[in-house]
Amino acid sequence: DAKTTQPPSMDCAEGRAANLPCNHSTISGNEYVYWYRQIHSQGPQYIIHGLKNNETNEMASLIITEDRKSSTLILPHATLRDTAVYYCIVSRTSGTYKYIFGTGTRLKVLA
Amino acid sequence: EAQVTQNPRYLITVTGKKLTVTCSQNMNHEYMSWYRQDPGLGLRQIYYSMNVEVTDKGDVPEGYKVSRKEKRNFPLILESPSPNQTSLYFCASSLRQGGGEAFFGQGTRLTVV
Repeated sequence: DAKTTQPPSMDCAEGRAANLPCNHSTISGNEYVYWYRQIHSQGPQYIIHGLKNNETNEMASLIITEDRKSSTLILPHATLRDTAVYYCIVSRTSGTYKYIFGTGTRLKVLA
Repeated sequence: EAQVTQNPRYLITVTGKKLTVTCSQNMNHEYMSWYRQDPGLGLRQIYYSMNVEVTDKGDVPEGYKVSRKEKRNFPLILESPSPNQTSLYFCASSLRQGGGEAFFGQGTRLTVV
């Protein structure tokens, strides 16, 4: 399973876009990129996932580079409630069902 | 409401006293798993199950057992808890392997003294 690299922490001003990067240079062709977040010690919450194309939902946008070796999660208008640890995960589409969580990026949204 | 329910949310127990943490999901998901979360180590997978009666070890299975007799339930069993199993535990479920959203429970904070 591919490993991911994320910056340990980031700050973002409230109302501005938060851009969270993730490197996954060893990703395989059958692996998706997932993003989850964890607020305090609550259960992780799914945000978005993608394989090749950019994706958008009501929470965020996911931009995946053409070579798929990195991606960026974009929270378009960050609020204080977006303060959390954000995890970027790659996972296969078949075989073992397994997420490998890294230590994530601690995003702090500032008023 | 789609959810994964863990019980108990908090538990303090003594070394060696068997305990079970229950996990139940109401989404008819095939895939379920257990994680533990420790400071500085992130979430690590303990066991997972791809369907009823099908379970397999994750990264840190030592000291734990699981069973999957029904699709909705996936209990985590600590036969003889030790202090190094003090941790925050999460259960998760997913419709299918890969390509889908996983739902996590709210967590069980276990302290073994």
